[in-house]
Amino acid sequence: AQSVAQPEDQVNVAEGNPLTVKCTYSVSGNPYLFWYVQYPNRGLQFLLKYITGDNLVKGSYGFEAEFNKSQTSFHLKKPSALVSDSALYFCAAYWGDSWGKLQFGAGTQVVVTP
Amino acid sequence: DTAVSQTPKYLVTQMGNDKSIKCEQNLGHDTMYWYKQDSKKFLKIMFSYNNKELIINETVPNRFSPKSPDKAHLNLHINSLELGDSAVYFCASSQDGDSLLHGYTFGSGTRLTVV
Repeated sequence: AQSVAQPEDQVNVAEGNPLTVKCTYSVSGNPYLFWYVQYPNRGLQFLLKYITGDNLVKGSYGFEAEFNKSQTSFHLKKPSALVSDSALYFCAAYWGDSWGKLQFGAGTQVVVTP
Repeated sequence: DTAVSQTPKYLVTQMGNDKSIKCEQNLGHDTMYWYKQDSKKFLKIMFSYNNKELIINETVPNRFSPKSPDKAHLNLHINSLELGDSAVYFCASSQDGDSLLHGYTFGSGTRLTVV
């Protein structure tokens, strides 16, 4: 079955340090991959996507993500985390076989400490 | 100028009641969705509509009935509310449901609490 996994419930990082949030997807076709961020009591906001092309994609707020087909991963990264990056991050995939249905991972809570 | 707007933002109601959540998008998108976010923050699709036509109905109880009067609106009516229906319900829209090149735009959510 198609699925998206975020292996870490929570990631803790000190402000100024690099931030990585992991995401892997099940091997089945070539999904489109997305990252969304959810701040408390807010809706999800789009960060970036991978459709095709360059494996490194850049997105909003200084985030980037690297697509790795051999490892079926799409990890989110930020070189220097800010306290304001503390939020819930979701990885999502679309396999194109079910109209418009995005499959979400379970989410990873990022906590950035001053 | 909100892109996807949901009302109400908060809804507290008693078991057995019937309630509706409304969603409107002004982006000109063709496809709209309802997702449920449970207490563990897990997101699960409930329904999707493309140009007022039901596309996805993801094994949701019959007590949940979506209605799309036009492609800019997708409402969710819930009959006989149960405690387990307590969750945050998100509406979303996409420009192109069949290719999803641009992903979703989400509303800010409706927190439903059944007491």
